[in-house]
Amino acid sequence: GAGVSQTPSNKVTEKGKYVELRCDPISGHTALYWYRQSLGQGPEFLIYFQGTGAADDSGLPNDRFFAVRPEGSVSTLKIQRTERGDSAVYLCASSPHSSSGGSYNEQFFGPGTRLTVL
Amino acid sequence: AQTVTQSQPEMSVQEAETVTLSCTYDTSESDYYLFWYKQPPSRQMILVIRQEAYKQQNATENRFSVNFQKAAKSFSLKISDSQLGDAAMYFCAYRRYSGGGADGLTFGKGTHLIIQP
Repeated sequence: GAGVSQTPSNKVTEKGKYVELRCDPISGHTALYWYRQSLGQGPEFLIYFQGTGAADDSGLPNDRFFAVRPEGSVSTLKIQRTERGDSAVYLCASSPHSSSGGSYNEQFFGPGTRLTVL
Repeated sequence: AQTVTQSQPEMSVQEAETVTLSCTYDTSESDYYLFWYKQPPSRQMILVIRQEAYKQQNATENRFSVNFQKAAKSFSLKISDSQLGDAAMYFCAYRRYSGGGADGLTFGKGTHLIIQP
């Protein structure tokens, strides 16, 4: 079946512009995650959705970053007034969700969107 | 907050040999998961192996095995019979054992593994 897809694959923008990055999770996966991977670093957690709601947005660096998932499937990460420091690969992952306590749910990652802010 | 440390920025191994990648972590939790992910140049993170902290037995997946030392907070990955296709960035990751089973991962900085033919 289809995996997690992300569009665009690459995005170049100018400092101060607004950008949207899209994530299509695996069909039926209720949990969705966004991570940011800066050059030479491991991915850094940004936000986690369970269904339509953001269950944990503690990783968002500031109020220029915002994410939505209005119908509980596709998610969009929005960055306002982009800065050069926002340049990174933005990874999306999805997982099935079980209501049983402490159960393991593998996160399946997409190929990421490389954002370059000039 | 949890932290994950990978002290080897790069490792090199001859094809068919064995290599071990190191990872240490810090947490105050007693129950958690640990993972090794592989990231080839395509950028897609691929799960290699996982370990539940409550399990004493070390996880194995074909040529991949871990040495989990809970008291030392150490979690190393051993790759046996290295193949050219194993060349990639390898990330160690931690996830707490939450009731909902769905928390974000904390990653280390990664180790670049080179396979010499």
